[in-house]
Amino acid sequence: QVQLQQWGAGLLKPSETLSLTCAVSGGSFRGFFWNWIRQSPGKGLEWIGEINHSGSTNYNPSLDGRVTISADTSKNHFSLKLSSVTAADTAVYYCARGFGRPGVYFDYWGQGTLVTVSS
Amino acid sequence: DIVMTQSPDSLPVSLGERATINCTSSESVLHSSNNLNYLAWYQQKLGQPPKLLIYWASTRQSGVPDRLSGSGSGTDFTLTISSLQAEDVAVYYCQQYYSAPSTFGQGTRLEIK
Repeated sequence: QVQLQQWGAGLLKPSETLSLTCAVSGGSFRGFFWNWIRQSPGKGLEWIGEINHSGSTNYNPSLDGRVTISADTSKNHFSLKLSSVTAADTAVYYCARGFGRPGVYFDYWGQGTLVTVSS
Repeated sequence: DIVMTQSPDSLPVSLGERATINCTSSESVLHSSNNLNYLAWYQQKLGQPPKLLIYWASTRQSGVPDRLSGSGSGTDFTLTISSLQAEDVAVYYCQQYYSAPSTFGQGTRLEIK
């Protein structure tokens, strides 16, 4: 059974960098795209970006180039960095496995991490 | 970006009755090369991540009860629960994965009348 376990800092000040990591277990890291998705009351569910095992990435343009997703295939981990955060970045952040190509739906999700940006 | 719009926002339904949730996309999500609709449905219960129910508009994910079904094509889609059970109380979302960035509907809250 595929499991995604995520962690990272939950409280940030404006202008800081958000950093989250997701560990994949119970399945292959290869052959899938690994995603970050966030959920806020104001914007609902928003896809942030994805990475595959070879390091190929795609990002949502709405995040204005502030996103970096990386992967450590030796540990089956992938990570999200979001720079220059503001209150608008306050949300629950999820990691998720993307299945299918081209375009993916999300068949396994992490438990979610609430990230609050406040001065 | 493709805009996904769900209706209604909230849906009260009696136990045992049928529940129907609609999802409309601002552009067609039907891929002409394979005749597949790039549309998924998710269920989210309080405090939990979304759970995949349906993909390719009508293919049920493993373990999903057959009282839940998806239909539609092009720009108009429906999630139907044939006989509402208490455990179906949740928020339901549609998602298009036809074009990047993938986008979600705003959600429909299903509750017991």
